[in-house]
Amino acid sequence: NAGVTQTPKFQVLKTGQSMTLQCAQDMNHNSMYWYRQDPGMGLRLIYYSASEGTTDKGEVPNGYNVSRLNKREFSLRLESAAPSQTSVYFCATAFKEQFFGPGTRLTVL
Amino acid sequence: QQPVQSPQAVILREGEDAVINCSSSKALYSVHWYRQKHGEAPVFLMILLKGGEQKGHEKISASFNEKKQQSSLYLTASQLSYSGTYFCGTGALDSNYKLTFGKGTLLTVNP
Repeated sequence: NAGVTQTPKFQVLKTGQSMTLQCAQDMNHNSMYWYRQDPGMGLRLIYYSASEGTTDKGEVPNGYNVSRLNKREFSLRLESAAPSQTSVYFCATAFKEQFFGPGTRLTVL
Repeated sequence: QQPVQSPQAVILREGEDAVINCSSSKALYSVHWYRQKHGEAPVFLMILLKGGEQKGHEKISASFNEKKQQSSLYLTASQLSYSGTYFCGTGALDSNYKLTFGKGTLLTVNP
C-alpha cells in the first residue's frame, strides 16, 4: 500500500506557465484535499472533494482549479503560475483522520 | 478563521513535559492533532470528537473542551523524537469534514 502519492516532488516554473500536480490514493477514502503550506502560516485549504464527482473551494482557491478524476485521483492545476504560488503543496485523504502525501515543492520565478 | 495555538514555540530537555493549546472561535465537531518534522509531511497523532470519542497514539493524550472550543495536547516524558511542529486542525459543526489548521507550535527537545 503506497497510501497517498504525489507527483512531481519538485518543480520550478516561470511566471505564466501552467502545470498540474497529481495526487493518487489507494486507501479507498471518499474525501480528498489540497493544501498549501507557507512558512509561519500552517496548512491552508485550497480545494477539497467530499466524494467522487464533487469539488468545493477552501480558504485560498484563487489561481487554482481541481479535477476529481475518479475515487483514487485528485489533481490540482495552476493555469498561469505567479510567484505568490511558490509554496509546498500537500494532498491528503481522509476517512476521519487525514493522511498526507509527501508534498510537492513548487517555485515560481 | 484559523484556530489559535499557544505557545508558538517551546524548548524542552529530554524527559520534561509540555502542553500545547488550541483555541477556536467556532463551535467545533472535531479537533485533530498532527506533528510535522522538517521537510516531511504532517503525521496524524490524535483526533477528538464532540461527544467524547478519541483516537490516537498510546503515548500522547489530549483533551477537548466543547463548551470553550479548546483543546490541549499533552506530551509527557518527552523524547528527542518528539521534536517537530505540532498543528491542530479544527472541524466546525457545519462542515466537519473540512479542517482549518492553526499556525503551529515548534517543539524542540534537547538532550
